[in-house]
Amino acid sequence: AQSVTQLGSHVSVSEGALVLLRCNYSSSVPPYLFWYVQYPNQGLQLLLKYTSAATLVKGINGFEAEFKKSETSFHLTKPSAHMSDAAEYFCAVRFLYNQGGKLIFGQGTELSVKP
Amino acid sequence: ETGVTQTPRHLVMGMTNKKSLKCEQHLGHNAMYWYKQSAKKPLELMFVYNFKEQTENNSVPSRFSPECPNSSHLFLHLHTLQPEDSALYLCASSPKQKNTEAFFGQGTRLTVV
Repeated sequence: AQSVTQLGSHVSVSEGALVLLRCNYSSSVPPYLFWYVQYPNQGLQLLLKYTSAATLVKGINGFEAEFKKSETSFHLTKPSAHMSDAAEYFCAVRFLYNQGGKLIFGQGTELSVKP
Repeated sequence: ETGVTQTPRHLVMGMTNKKSLKCEQHLGHNAMYWYKQSAKKPLELMFVYNFKEQTENNSVPSRFSPECPNSSHLFLHLHTLQPEDSALYLCASSPKQKNTEAFFGQGTRLTVV
């Protein structure tokens, strides 16, 4: 069955360090892929999306993600973490030909940034 | 500001109360969704509406009753809830096209006492 998995429910980095949040999907047909960020007691805000154009996608707040078909991955990165990046991050997919094209979310990864 | 507005932002209700959550979007989207977000659990899709018609109900208990009077408004009517129903309830909308993202409201933090 198609699914999306985020590796690591919690990631901690130091301010200025590289941020890497992992997302893998399970599907024979590449889906559309999204990363969202959620600050405490807020809704989800779109960071970036992949919809079969360029495989390296740049988003807001300095984040980017690379779609790798061979690895069925869409990991989120940022070269230098800021304190304001501390939040929960969700990877989401739309499987085009199954599950009605609905948006399916990973379990979420909480990012902590240490001074 | 995503263009999706939810009211109220916070709600405390007793188990015998009846209340409603409201969601409104003026983005011209045709699909609207209710999600439940509980602590330490993944986002759960509850209901999906397309062009005012319910197209998905993910085995949600009948104490949650959605209503979509038009493409811009979505309600979630609540009655005889349980303490385990306490959660953040998120509304979202999207164009009908499948390659687009969903736009989320700020959520309603519901506490059932």
